[in-house]
Amino acid sequence: GQSLEQPSEVTAVEGAIVQINCTYQTSGFYGLSWYQQHDGGAPTFLSYNALDGLEETGRFSSFLSRSDSYGYLLLQELQMKDSASYFCAVRDRGTGFQKLVFGTGTRLLVSP
Amino acid sequence: DVKVTQSSRYLVKRTGEKVFLECVQDMDHENMFWYRQDPGLGLRLIYFSYDVKMKEKGDIPEGYSVSREKKERFSLILESASTNQTSMYLCASSYPSGQAYEQYFGPGTRLTVT
Repeated sequence: GQSLEQPSEVTAVEGAIVQINCTYQTSGFYGLSWYQQHDGGAPTFLSYNALDGLEETGRFSSFLSRSDSYGYLLLQELQMKDSASYFCAVRDRGTGFQKLVFGTGTRLLVSP
Repeated sequence: DVKVTQSSRYLVKRTGEKVFLECVQDMDHENMFWYRQDPGLGLRLIYFSYDVKMKEKGDIPEGYSVSREKKERFSLILESASTNQTSMYLCASSYPSGQAYEQYFGPGTRLTVT
């Protein structure tokens, strides 16, 4: 089966940098996605890594190390609107490439 | 603009009732999904459909069934609602294969079973 671990909550202040980690165990890893969900809202896609390294999209970056079964989401220049839950999700051969298995989510609280 | 819509934002049903949750996407996606979301448990897959009339069980299919008669519409059915099915239900869709890592979600239906 698959399992993902991410911290349940992270706090930071406006303007800071925060890193949300995700470790996973799968039967045949294919790629790692990240999603953001504001309270009362729908999850929205942020990024995807299939290969080792860093992917940058504006203030957000996502990193993957396949050998360590580890990835992280890096949020820079934090803003109040970044307060949300962040989910990592894996694609793997065990569940077929069409599906994602989601972690339990990390709640990010950004304070002034 | 990509759109996934769900029939209700809030729903209150009684134990034993048959409940239908509807989801429609306008992106011509092959894949559609039903998840339930509970605090501390993340998103858990109930059912997945990869084509019209095709379905696969997810991690927690017990007590649920699905229907996909048209490509754009995916319905979740609670045959006999129970209180432990009180939850947020999220529908999602995606392209297949290489683009399946990006799912588009509807706004969710918060179902309360009393």
